[in-house]
Amino acid sequence: EDQVTQSPEALRLQEGESSSLNCSYTVSGLRGLFWYRQDPGKGPEFLFTLYSAGEEKEKERLKATLTKKESFLHITAPKPEDSATYLCAVRRSGGYNKLIFGAGTRLAVHP
Amino acid sequence: GAVVSQHPSWVICKSGTSVKIECRSLDFQATTMFWYRQFPKQSLMLMATSNEGSKATYEQGVEKDKFLINHASLTLSTLTVTSAHPEDSSFYICSATSGLDGETQYFGPGTRLLVL
Repeated sequence: EDQVTQSPEALRLQEGESSSLNCSYTVSGLRGLFWYRQDPGKGPEFLFTLYSAGEEKEKERLKATLTKKESFLHITAPKPEDSATYLCAVRRSGGYNKLIFGAGTRLAVHP
Repeated sequence: GAVVSQHPSWVICKSGTSVKIECRSLDFQATTMFWYRQFPKQSLMLMATSNEGSKATYEQGVEKDKFLINHASLTLSTLTVTSAHPEDSSFYICSATSGLDGETQYFGPGTRLLVL
């Protein structure tokens, strides 16, 4: 059964304290792993798509990496405005275009 | 680019009434649109997938007669919650994929529904 597990559930950081969020997945033929950011009361905002093991993508203080079993979202020197819930989702091969979401990691960055 | 809008952003209705939520892709043509619902502090739950001009595909456990989806054009999909009840109160979010980048789902801002 396809499954996405994110850890930790919640993370509290001081401003400038770098850390990583984990997304472990089990899927029959990965056809894309997606990272989204969701602020309270809003829809998810697209961050990255990764397709193959070894791939990395960066955007400002965020860097996403992918292995055959998991993905990491590294946050370097976070700021309070990085506080949000970060969602990971996978899409599998075989003509299916729907995403399977993890439960998310709630990140709080304090000044 | 890849902007998706939803209307209304907030709706309060009485039990037994029907509510329609619109989802529009503003700067691209959406080959496929998706409807999700999200409960507080939980992740997104896919309700249905719709392609323009064809019937929506509903996820297991989602009542198709209660949640009517119409994908009338390449830029508009609507979700109608029929005979709404308090248990239908939730945050409803749509997403869309484009023809150029068919892999990525771009999400709307969501619609909060409260049924009294």
